[in-house]
This record gives sequence, C-alpha cells and structure tokens, in this order.
Amino acid sequence: DAKTTQPTSMDCAEGRAANLPCNHSTISGNEYVYWYRQIHSQGPQYIIHGLKNNETNEMASLIITEDRKSSTLILPHATLRDTAVYYCIVRAYQTGANNLFFGTGTRLTVIP
Amino acid sequence: SQTIHQWPATLVQPVGSPLSLECTVEGTSNPNLYWYRQAAGRGLQLLFYSVGIGQISSEVPQNLSASRPQDRQFILSSKKLLLSDSGFYLCAWRLAGGGTDTQYFGPGTRLTVL
Repeated sequence: DAKTTQPTSMDCAEGRAANLPCNHSTISGNEYVYWYRQIHSQGPQYIIHGLKNNETNEMASLIITEDRKSSTLILPHATLRDTAVYYCIVRAYQTGANNLFFGTGTRLTVIP
Repeated sequence: SQTIHQWPATLVQPVGSPLSLECTVEGTSNPNLYWYRQAAGRGLQLLFYSVGIGQISSEVPQNLSASRPQDRQFILSSKKLLLSDSGFYLCAWRLAGGGTDTQYFGPGTRLTVL
C-alpha cells in the first residue's frame, strides 16, 4: 500500500470549508484513495473514495491532483460534529484480508 | 440500507474471565466480516476476517478466537482474558467482490480488563 502523509492537526471555523490534505506520492495506478473519520469513542466512518476523478457525495468532496500524488478532502460547511480524526488511506482492491492501515490521521477541530 | 450492530457497548471483566462479543449485519448477504482492536490513542489492528460461514482467518496469534455461525453474525471470544486484551473492539463489513475496499464499521465495544 502506498504511504500517506497528513498534517497532525488542523482547526477550522464553524460554517467554513475544511480542506484536509493528503500526500501519497508513491501511489500506484490501481490504488484508490479512501477517506475515513473517527469521532471520539465511535467506530470509524467511511466518507468517500476515488481513483482519478474528483468525487462528491452528501458528506464531502474529494479532489485528486492530475498526477494523483496528492488529494484534498473538503467538508464544505464544517459543523462542530465534524470534529474528528480524519484518515487518508491508499490501497488497491484485495480479496479476503483487508487490513486498512489507519495511521495517525489529521485531528480536525471545528471551532465555534 | 445496511446496518451493523455490536454488543455490548462497554464491558468490564476480570482477568481470567471469558469473553464473547457479538456483531451482526443487516441488509446485505455474504459480506466479508472483520474484527479489529484499537488500543488507546493507537491505530486499528486487524484480528480476524471471514469471507463466509465457518471460514475464519487469524491475523495476529493471541488468546482470542472468532467464529461465524451464520452469514451475518460474527463472534469474538476468549476463554481467559488478559490485561492486554483491554481496548476498543470494532467489527466491520465489506461487500464481497465489490471491487473496492470500502468498509463499514460498527459502534464498537470498549473492553476493560481489570
């Protein structure tokens, strides 16, 4: 799996867009970019994933650079409930074992 | 829609006692199922995964075991708990053959062994 690098922590004002970066310069052509988040004392929550194109769903947008070496998760209007640790994971599809390596992630704090 | 349940939510057990944690998934068939453990402030460690009824693969040798008696039921057990078994236990499912690694996690069980 490609290694990812994320900032340790970020702050965002409530109501503003939160832009969380992730570097994955060694990504391979068949590897997807996944984003999960974990709110304190809860199980991780899938947010979004993409391969090449930008993606958007009801939770967030994922912007992947043309060379695919980095990506940005965008929460368009951050709320206090978005305070969590956000994990960027890069991997190819595998059958069976699926050990998602969550790393340390970015701790996002949304400030009132 | 699919939902995943885990119980109990919290558990305090003495060293040497048995353990049984249950996970059930609704709204899907033949899912891949996973047990993870998360120690305080740490990442997730995959313990077991299952691709079908009665099929269990262990990722980490330890005093825990897993079973899948039904398609959408996954159980984590221990005969004798150790202090080091304390942690946050998470069950997850993935669509088999879905082509992506998207996993959906349950709410977790926080286990404290005293």
